[in-house]
Amino acid sequence: NAGVTQTPKFQVLKTGQSMTLQCAQDMNHEYMSWYRQDPGMGLRLIHYSVGAGITDQGEVPNGYNVSRSTTEDFPLRLLSAAPSQTSVYFCASRAANYGYTFGSGTRLTVV
Amino acid sequence: TQLLEQSPQFLSIQEGENLTVYCNSSSVFSSLQWYRQEPGEGPVLLVTVVTGGEVKKLKRLTFQFGDARKDSSLHITAAQPGDTGLYLCAGRLRAGSYQLTFGKGTKLSVIP
Repeated sequence: NAGVTQTPKFQVLKTGQSMTLQCAQDMNHEYMSWYRQDPGMGLRLIHYSVGAGITDQGEVPNGYNVSRSTTEDFPLRLLSAAPSQTSVYFCASRAANYGYTFGSGTRLTVV
Repeated sequence: TQLLEQSPQFLSIQEGENLTVYCNSSSVFSSLQWYRQEPGEGPVLLVTVVTGGEVKKLKRLTFQFGDARKDSSLHITAAQPGDTGLYLCAGRLRAGSYQLTFGKGTKLSVIP
């Protein structure tokens, strides 16, 4: 089915470890973004991209890196995981009617 | 300061009741969207409103964009257990902008 695919679904990391959250979309959307969702904080924008080779910071970018080498893929890298990065991460791409299509999320726990 | 304030934060009602949730801001938005999120899933777009005063209906859900484009409401008629979820509003400050600002959501529980 067309949409946004995120992997993994769940992940537990130790403090200081690094990892990459994968996001792929097959709808040829130019715009992709990463959000984190925390209780009481809502959805907060981490990084976004308006096309291959172009990325920019959102509201809470510290501790995260992104790259956009293809239209389809937009991975999010945690460089050195911290307990404060425990969250649910969502990738989204922009639909033609200005609505976002979200992936099903990655639940990350940093211990 | 939260740009989009949603109220109430939590709402628990009996099946068959009507309800309204609100999304308010002091800023003017070029468009506003409503999403529903179920546990363990990402938000799913319900509607986009663009024109001040616009009303859109989606089966038992009625969405309204305020005349000044600073607020919106979602009214559900005869709520059903399948309506249970987190309802999020999201606004676009400038036409053509890619970014959305999200409210914190209203968590709705419909009890059978």
